[in-house]
Amino acid sequence: DAEITQSPRHKITETGRQVTLACHQTWNHNNMFWYRQDLGHGLRLIHYSYGVQDTNKGEVSDGYSVSRSNTEDLPLTLESAASSQTSVYFCATSDPGGTGELFFGEGSRLTVL
Amino acid sequence: GQQLNQSPQSMFIQEGEDVSMNCTSSSIFNTWLWYKQDPGEGPVLLIALYKAGELTSNGRLTAQFGTTRKDSFLNISASIPSDVGIYFCAGHDLSGDKIIFGKGTRLHILP
Repeated sequence: DAEITQSPRHKITETGRQVTLACHQTWNHNNMFWYRQDLGHGLRLIHYSYGVQDTNKGEVSDGYSVSRSNTEDLPLTLESAASSQTSVYFCATSDPGGTGELFFGEGSRLTVL
Repeated sequence: GQQLNQSPQSMFIQEGEDVSMNCTSSSIFNTWLWYKQDPGEGPVLLIALYKAGELTSNGRLTAQFGTTRKDSFLNISASIPSDVGIYFCAGHDLSGDKIIFGKGTRLHILP
């Protein structure tokens, strides 16, 4: 079965360190998204990609970057982690021009001390 | 930017009661989606709505796409313990392929 794998599932880091969260999908979807989930804010879009070499900023992109070198992977990098980036991060994919349905990974819980 | 206002933020109900939640938008969407998130997992699609006025059911769940294309509601009939979770409405952005989410409704079922 096709799936989305996020790693690590849990991470604790210190302020100022660089952190990369991995997302790997076997759906063969062109569209990939990163969301963060915080209490009181729901799911907010960080970055998204419509295909290889394409990346776009979402509503809360400051402090984050992504790269898309192949269809399967969209790693999310925090260049210099801040306590405000403590959150649960979800990777998702969708089929372009399809129903708009998003398929989510299981999430990565990041704590920045 | 586009915003979705989802209400209520949380609900405490007795098992067996019906549940209703809704979502309104400042702009038009061409698709409305309802997701459920169980603890420790990612959201999963419950119902997708593609036409204004459309009413769709999935078991005990019923959702409608508002005629103005700026709102949607989700009803759950005869709630059971496994309905506990967070329910998100989402709209498919007309200008691109982005999905915008509401802040969620957290459903609690009292013993």
